[in-house]
Amino acid sequence: GENVEQHPSTLSVQEGDSAVIKCTYSDSASNYFPWYKQELGKGPQLIIDIRSNVGEKKDQRIAVTLNKTAKHFSLHITETQPEDSAVYFCASHLNAGNMLTFGGGTRLMVKP
Amino acid sequence: KAGVTQTPRYLIKTRGQQVTLSCSPISGHRSVSWYQQTPGQGLQFLFEYFSETQRNKGNFPGRFSGRQFSNSRSEMNVSTLELGDSALYLCASSPGQGTGELFFGEGSRLTVL
Repeated sequence: GENVEQHPSTLSVQEGDSAVIKCTYSDSASNYFPWYKQELGKGPQLIIDIRSNVGEKKDQRIAVTLNKTAKHFSLHITETQPEDSAVYFCASHLNAGNMLTFGGGTRLMVKP
Repeated sequence: KAGVTQTPRYLIKTRGQQVTLSCSPISGHRSVSWYQQTPGQGLQFLFEYFSETQRNKGNFPGRFSGRQFSNSRSEMNVSTLELGDSALYLCASSPGQGTGELFFGEGSRLTVL
């Protein structure tokens, strides 16, 4: 089955710096790649996603890039703020209902 | 529009008991998925329901079961609870068939003593 690896597991940055989280997937048929943010005591919240026919997508301070050849995708957060501190999960989707395979998560800490 | 609602939010059970968790999807969403989240295993897929039919099932023992009602609300049941079943159980709803776009609830945190 599909396997998603996510790095790093923890990331500490200074407020205002950029943060990058990387994921690789194993099944070349995967076609949709969402990113979720999970704050303490809450469920994961979809923050941005990208489909396999697009190389890059941006929404204000966050962006996602996809390299289908290398089977990896990345989340970029610019001008980080303390409220960006959370656990971030990447995921991949095959054409099998709505089932997602998740990466292990990255705990992002933004120091003021 | 109301989000995904899960009840109860917290519960404590003892080994051998059984538990039922409930999920109300976003209005208009017909697909409901369940995930188990633990510190060691991360987010793992349990099952997905669409129009009252189980469409996908993850690699969990038969003690884990679910169902979906005609109003798209879903329940999952875990029988003969084990200590390792302690986890956050997350429900997610989706607006379409096979899009992968999931919207999660806040979860039900189960502690098994």
